[in-house]
Amino acid sequence: DIQMTQSPPIVSASVGDRVIITCRASQRIGSRLAWYQQKPGKAPSLLIYKASNLEAGVPTRFSGNGSGTEFSLAINGLQPDDFAIYFCQQYDSSPWLFGQGTKVESK
Amino acid sequence: EVQLLESGGNLVQPGGSLRLSCAASGFTFSSHAMSWVRQAPGGGPEWVSSISSAAGGTYYADSVRGRFTISRDNSKSTLYLQMNSLTVEDTAVYYCAKEGPPVPAGLFEYWGQGSLVTVSS
Repeated sequence: DIQMTQSPPIVSASVGDRVIITCRASQRIGSRLAWYQQKPGKAPSLLIYKASNLEAGVPTRFSGNGSGTEFSLAINGLQPDDFAIYFCQQYDSSPWLFGQGTKVESK
Repeated sequence: EVQLLESGGNLVQPGGSLRLSCAASGFTFSSHAMSWVRQAPGGGPEWVSSISSAAGGTYYADSVRGRFTISRDNSKSTLYLQMNSLTVEDTAVYYCAKEGPPVPAGLFEYWGQGSLVTVSS
């Protein structure tokens, strides 16, 4: 199984900050990586697929980067609506595993 | 607008059974693979099972293989998950998720609101 490791577990940030979350795969997965955002009491929603492609409707302050085993999600100019938990997920091979999540909280 | 509405979650005793349903609308259900993803309290999402658009292929996580059965009725635009021999480790919110292609690819484009399954004596 391809394990996904996210860091840091928690990010404390202020509105307007640049936030970067990293995700590492235990094996090479090409660009088959997705990022999801989850708000309290809600289902996860797809933000980015194929490592760097924004899902329709996702603000351009979000960006994804990486390939192989190292990936990152950046939020440029954090907005109040962005405080949430973010998960990475590989879809290179089954079982399709998620990272343990990174909580972006208000400083 | 894509809508996925799960139902069937409940409190069940260990060893019991439950069937979840997911009613889909707003897209051509029969053209897309569908999946179930669960999330235990305080945990990250865990893929459970997927099914191809024509139900010709089914896929399971090791943790549920042999106990859970995924199925679909394209005439009713409905996805199902039959869960047997439930254990406390199966306690989670279960989400129905839409994929893009007809064959499962592991990219969950849209999620329902979830249905809570609690396994406890």
